Amino acid sequence: EPEVTQTPSHQVTQMGQEVILRCVPISNHLYFYWYRQILGQKVEFLVSFYNNEISEKSEIFDDQFSVERPDGSNFTLKIRSTKLEDSAMYFCASTGRGQGARRYQPQHFGDGTRLSIL
Amino acid sequence: QKEVEQNSGPLSVPEGAIASLNCTYSDRGSQSFFWYRQYSGKSPELIMFIYSNGDKEDGRFTAQLNKASQYVSLLIRDSQPSDSATYLCALNSNSGYALNFGKGTSLLVTP
Repeated sequence: EPEVTQTPSHQVTQMGQEVILRCVPISNHLYFYWYRQILGQKVEFLVSFYNNEISEKSEIFDDQFSVERPDGSNFTLKIRSTKLEDSAMYFCASTGRGQGARRYQPQHFGDGTRLSIL
Repeated sequence: QKEVEQNSGPLSVPEGAIASLNCTYSDRGSQSFFWYRQYSGKSPELIMFIYSNGDKEDGRFTAQLNKASQYVSLLIRDSQPSDSATYLCALNSNSGYALNFGKGTSLLVTP
């Protein structure tokens, strides 16, 4: 079964450094997402991406964050000048196109990247 | 603030019993409802999704949706120890594709 893949599985970075998290969504999917989950807390939406542009973003997704689809397969999340509070699991998800009342298709999640800021 | 509420648990059921997990939400514009299972340290894994009022069954799992009362539930029949995990309720509204998650209910199935 197709799956979303994320690399690296664990990233350790010094505070203030830039980090890029990578995702390969399911190949025929059109919508891509990033979520984060701070340890012991709920999964939080960061951003959605469709047709090579951001379609939605949360209050968390400030100027420190950016997303890019540099080629036909990869989807990246960049965090500039990382802070201690950026330590979390970051999940990439993707979904296909739905229609009508079922336009919100289930989102399939990758295994995540554990980001640790020191 | 659009809330998704779940009892954090833990909900403890004996092996073979029915586990009932509940979720209430505040956004009446919510369109699509999803249940994910999350093992400790792992990513959310889709279990069920439901769009319309009523019941939807898939194997041992049944999702129930009541939009008028703004709740969605998940029943797990013949619970197994391997079902022990945190179950996340998630939904998106009419306004976008972002999933809004609850904090999850921890389920423990005891042998």
